[in-house]
Amino acid sequence: IVLTQSPGTLSLSPGERATLSCRASQRISTTYVAWYQQKLGQAPRLLIYGASSRAIGIPDRFSGSGSGTDFTLTISSLEPEDFAMYYCQQYHASPLTFGTGTKVEV
Amino acid sequence: EVQLVESGGGLVQPGGSLTLSCAGAGFTFNNFAMSWVRQTPGKRLEWVSSIDGNGGGTFYADSVKGRFTVSRDNSKNTLHLQMNSLRAEDTAIYYCAKCPAYFFFSGGYANHWGQGSLVTVSS
Repeated sequence: IVLTQSPGTLSLSPGERATLSCRASQRISTTYVAWYQQKLGQAPRLLIYGASSRAIGIPDRFSGSGSGTDFTLTISSLEPEDFAMYYCQQYHASPLTFGTGTKVEV
Repeated sequence: EVQLVESGGGLVQPGGSLTLSCAGAGFTFNNFAMSWVRQTPGKRLEWVSSIDGNGGGTFYADSVKGRFTVSRDNSKNTLHLQMNSLRAEDTAIYYCAKCPAYFFFSGGYANHWGQGSLVTVSS
């Protein structure tokens, strides 16, 4: 399953809303999509699993939604620490696959 | 606090071998499946391999099947990845990652990641 993320780069300011898209090449069960955040020089960090469940310690400004082939990560109001790379991942079918990534920049 | 610490990376010639290890702490190691995920120089994330909590089930990406072997020593809370017949395209940062469930297919995402170990395959 190929995951295509858009846009490749999102240029926004602190306080603005960010909407990141992840489109799958075939239908995915709603419960099998995760989102990760990666900052420069660091390992990825789990944000969302099951398409919409926040991981432990993740602020509620992060939310996930979607079904079928279209999934979305929304950051309601960007904080300075949210400027980073974001990846979606499907675990509906093997091999597990990751999206191409969206960079959220100032 | 969950901690995952990888070791064993380095520079290796094409066709060579390398073994990565990952020491887990802060959780009951044998209760969870574990995975290896790599990040290429182009920043693409690729799933490499996973293993169930008791080591009974192992899973591989097609690109590494037959060349890489995942294993775990639950008595030492350690995960291993034996990499043989290495190719230039295996060059990446290799992350050890903890899965949320005992069986890999019960939750194929990673809720904790190590800091990564760089493997460079070059002559």
